[in-house]
Amino acid sequence: QVQLVQSGAEVKKPGASVKVSCEASGYTFTSYYIQWVRQAPGQGIEWMGRINLNSGGTSYAQKFQGRVTMTRDTSISTAYMELSRLRSDDTAMYYCARGGGSYYSDYWGQGTLVTVSS
Amino acid sequence: QSALTQPAAVSGSPGQSITISCTGTSSDVGGYNYVSWYQQHPGKAPKLMIFDVNKRPSGVSNRFSGSKSANTASLTISGLQAEDEADYYCSSHTNNSTLIYVFGTGTKVTVL
Repeated sequence: QVQLVQSGAEVKKPGASVKVSCEASGYTFTSYYIQWVRQAPGQGIEWMGRINLNSGGTSYAQKFQGRVTMTRDTSISTAYMELSRLRSDDTAMYYCARGGGSYYSDYWGQGTLVTVSS
Repeated sequence: QSALTQPAAVSGSPGQSITISCTGTSSDVGGYNYVSWYQQHPGKAPKLMIFDVNKRPSGVSNRFSGSKSANTASLTISGLQAEDEADYYCSSHTNNSTLIYVFGTGTKVTVL
């Protein structure tokens, strides 16, 4: 069965970077996109960007341009999202999700809580 | 790019039907048949309930249905059950140059 397993919770200081991993299994890794979204405590869902796991091509929300980098390692079926210059308002649950056939996410990781605090 | 607009809360009694609206623009909801709906229980990851406006993934109850008219999409839950109590988010592809997807503001469904 399709599974996305994310790395564990992180606590970072303002100005630092965080790198979250998303290990996929149960399907052909390079046949789909991985999307990254985040959800601040008690808030809605915000789309951050996506990566084409075959080509490595990326699309980022303008809000995160220059601060976010999405990569993948096809040898271990793992996608990564790195966010730099962290601020307190980056405190959120970060999710990876498999991009389905058109524009939807059919399988989701369990989430990674990133806390930014001095 | 603003989020798609959803009502903050919708409630219904067991067995009733409820509908959640999701209003966007011609650049997103109205321009494409790429609206999806997600259910999120507290502390859990979102779960895909509807994609491409009205398609249900395998395993999702047929009590959930989707539709769209102009710039507004809707999710209807019929035969409301206690387990349907959750937050629901719509999402749409958008041709806005700043992003590809936009999510709705979210709706809290309460089963009375």
